[in-house]
Amino acid sequence: GQQVMQIPQYQHVQEGEDFTTYCNSSTTLSNIQWYKQRPGGHPVFLIQLVKSGEVKKQKRLTFQFGEAKKNSSLHITATQTTDVGTYFCPSRTQGGSEKLVFGKGTKLTVNP
Amino acid sequence: DAGVTQSPTHLIKTRGQQVTLRCSPKSGHDTVSWYQQALGQGPQFIFQYYEEEERQRGNFPDRFSGHQFPNYSSELNVNALLLGDSALYLCASSLVGVGNTIYFGEGSWLTVV
Repeated sequence: GQQVMQIPQYQHVQEGEDFTTYCNSSTTLSNIQWYKQRPGGHPVFLIQLVKSGEVKKQKRLTFQFGEAKKNSSLHITATQTTDVGTYFCPSRTQGGSEKLVFGKGTKLTVNP
Repeated sequence: DAGVTQSPTHLIKTRGQQVTLRCSPKSGHDTVSWYQQALGQGPQFIFQYYEEEERQRGNFPDRFSGHQFPNYSSELNVNALLLGDSALYLCASSLVGVGNTIYFGEGSWLTVV
């Protein structure tokens, strides 16, 4: 599967500030998923986006899938220290044996 | 409803030794994949098992092997351990089918000394 490029690689914010991470693909994606990994933890599934232009919200988190299905973003409003971690948007191969292809993700640190 | 469970959580091995890691998939899931995550990197796909057969394999040497049992649980074996095999080994499970959510276990931290 085509690796999705994610920016920025690192982001440090003050608690209460907003945060956005972007994922871009050179090819059209059938879907995109987001995972969060806390320091010392494991990737935790957040959401999957499937439809062109889709927007989904989970409390302070807003996920978007681009109209062309080549990019996606995760926006966190008013960050909290609990938001610390690395956010991944792996691409997904298609076919009978799907696998996730991860980049390095965006590492978010929050200063209290 | 138990999620993906892995054991052991932490282990230390000596270079050249062999290690076996175990995984029980989430209830109702039939597909198990293994990933290796080095420090500061994203997880890298090792291989996937479905119906007790390896369906797909990533770019890992033959020292890495696996097995899936009739109850869908799985093992990852690594022979002739190298220092570079030190990593977090993640098991992921899903139900076969396009677009089904893939869930990760908490991982097994392997340190090779």
